[in-house]
Order: sequence, then structure tokens, then C-alpha cells
Amino acid sequence: DTGVSQNPRHKITKRGQNVTFRCDPISEHNRLYWYRQTLGQGPEFLTYFQNEAQLEKSRLLSDRFSAERPKGSFSTLEIQRTEQGDSAMYLCASSGADYGYTFGSGTRLTVV
Amino acid sequence: QQPVQSPQAVILREGEDAVINCSSSKALYSVHWYRQKHGEAPVFLMILLKGGEQKGHDKISASFNEKKQQSSLYLTASQLSYSGTYFCGTEDESNTGKLIFGQGTTLQVKP
Repeated sequence: DTGVSQNPRHKITKRGQNVTFRCDPISEHNRLYWYRQTLGQGPEFLTYFQNEAQLEKSRLLSDRFSAERPKGSFSTLEIQRTEQGDSAMYLCASSGADYGYTFGSGTRLTVV
Repeated sequence: QQPVQSPQAVILREGEDAVINCSSSKALYSVHWYRQKHGEAPVFLMILLKGGEQKGHDKISASFNEKKQQSSLYLTASQLSYSGTYFCGTEDESNTGKLIFGQGTTLQVKP
């Protein structure tokens, strides 16, 4: 088991472009979470999946954000029409029930 | 609904002890603790579940007062490697696994 893998590690994009991030969770974990973290803050919840079902999406998340987890395996997070305020570290985590998260190394997004 | 952590920052000498507190306004199912070093992802330290069960690192201790929705993380005989930012994450009684993280407590251990 190699842990939670996220790609790419870094992404620089121009404002208005679309970006997609990928997360490969630990295979035995049925729960997968996306968080966003800015400098000096704790991770902010975006959305989560149990198997392939997206069970909750943050009300803070605009319609420009969408996530999928086909077949309950890897997950993708897409941001459409990026804005400078989207610049952040995007963290993926997976877990089993009643246990802690294993975070991936994150994708750092910079919107210029 | 974000849990409140205190203190915001702590500076210690090696071997000294520290306590980090986390307080929520909501009834909780569990409290998690994570440590994050600069430029790295948060690393799981401990989970404290409603009912008293705890899982995590043997060298880390913590408490969870379910009635007060408060948790404390105890760092004893601190080492240089303990430096980092500590986050508590609270899970409400819906038991979805979704965590709301506090703003963090920065710990610096000096030689």
C-alpha cells in the first residue's frame, strides 16, 4: 500500500481556465474526502464520497467545483473558470470507518 | 461551527510539556488530532470516539470530554520533532467521517 496519491503536485493556470486534479486513495478505504487549505488556516471541507456516492458538498462551494469518484476508486476534482481566490492547496484524504484520515501530499494550485 | 483551538502558538524547550485544547459548540461523535509540518500534508495522530475509545500513536495522549465537547492533546517531554502545527478535527453525531478542522496551534520546540 503506497498511501494516498495526488496528481499533479503543482498546477499553475491562467484565470478562467479549467483544471482537474486526481486522487488515488488507499484501496481498502471506502471514504474519500476533498479539503482546501490556505496559508495559516486549517483544512476546509469541500466534499466527500462513500464508495462512489457523493454524500455531501460544502455549501461554500460554488457550482464551478465538481467532483467524481467513478466505481468507488480514484476521484477527480474539477474547477471550472478558475479565479484567483481558488489558489490554495487541495488535499485529498481517505479513511475507513472510525479511524483517522490518511492525507495525500496535496495539489498546490496557483491561479495567475 | 469551526472548533476553537487554544493556545494559537506555543514555544517550548526540549523536554517540556504542553497542552493544546479544542472546543466545539456542537455535540460530537469524535475528535481527531493531526500534526502538519511546513510544506507537508497533515499526519494523523489520534482519534477519540464518543464512549471512550481511543486509537492512535502510543506516545501521544489526549482526552475527550463528551459533555463539554472539549478535547485536549498532551505533549510530554517534547522533542524537536514535535514542532509543527496541530489541528483538531471534529466529527458531529451524524458519524459521516466528515471533519471540521480548527484554526491550528503552532508548536515550536527549541533545543
